[in-house]
Amino acid sequence: EAQVTQNPRYLITVTGKKLTVTCSQNMNHEYMSWYRQDPGLGLRQIYYSMNVEVTDKGDVPEGYKVSRKEKRNFPLILESPSPNQTSLYFCASNGGQGRGKLFFGSGTQLSVL
Amino acid sequence: DQQVKQNSPSLSVQEGRISILNCDYTNSMFDYFLWYKKYPAEGPTFLISISSIKDKNEDGRFTVFLNKSAKHLSLHIVPSQPGDSAVYFCAVHQGAQKLVFGQGTRLTINP
Repeated sequence: EAQVTQNPRYLITVTGKKLTVTCSQNMNHEYMSWYRQDPGLGLRQIYYSMNVEVTDKGDVPEGYKVSRKEKRNFPLILESPSPNQTSLYFCASNGGQGRGKLFFGSGTQLSVL
Repeated sequence: DQQVKQNSPSLSVQEGRISILNCDYTNSMFDYFLWYKKYPAEGPTFLISISSIKDKNEDGRFTVFLNKSAKHLSLHIVPSQPGDSAVYFCAVHQGAQKLVFGQGTRLTINP
């Protein structure tokens, strides 16, 4: 089954404790991205990657890092999480089959205390 | 500043009637628009899209209308079904597969 898999689904952590949210897709897609969803703001792009070793900032990259060492994986790293990073995070991918047609994971609900 | 705005946070419609969800955008250079649907505990899924060279695109019960002069698009669902209850996001394509989303509208279909 074609899918984008994120882990964990839920995460509660404390300020300053480094964490990684994993994302993997099995569709051989070149493009992957991370979004966060906040009430009243919709989804906002954090980072994106056009291919292996090619990453770039989105609209809200502060406090986040990403890496793309393999085509299928695109982890999101919070080196020193803060409470304002409490949010619902989505990973997405696209294989060039349609403009803007993203395949999203099921989301990771992060709470930073 | 929100480049894409959905001014109605929620909408309630009776089953079988028409649901109309609205979206406004600020930049007349935007040329490709999409609607996504999101159920609780799931990621958004693509629903329908429209290019700026068209003013209407239809897919089954779903129709998207684009009014370029008003910088407005709308999604019509006819007839509305209980399974249509979800949050709907309007989005514009900004290149490199980047999407800019509206705030979302929660649609509830009442039996």
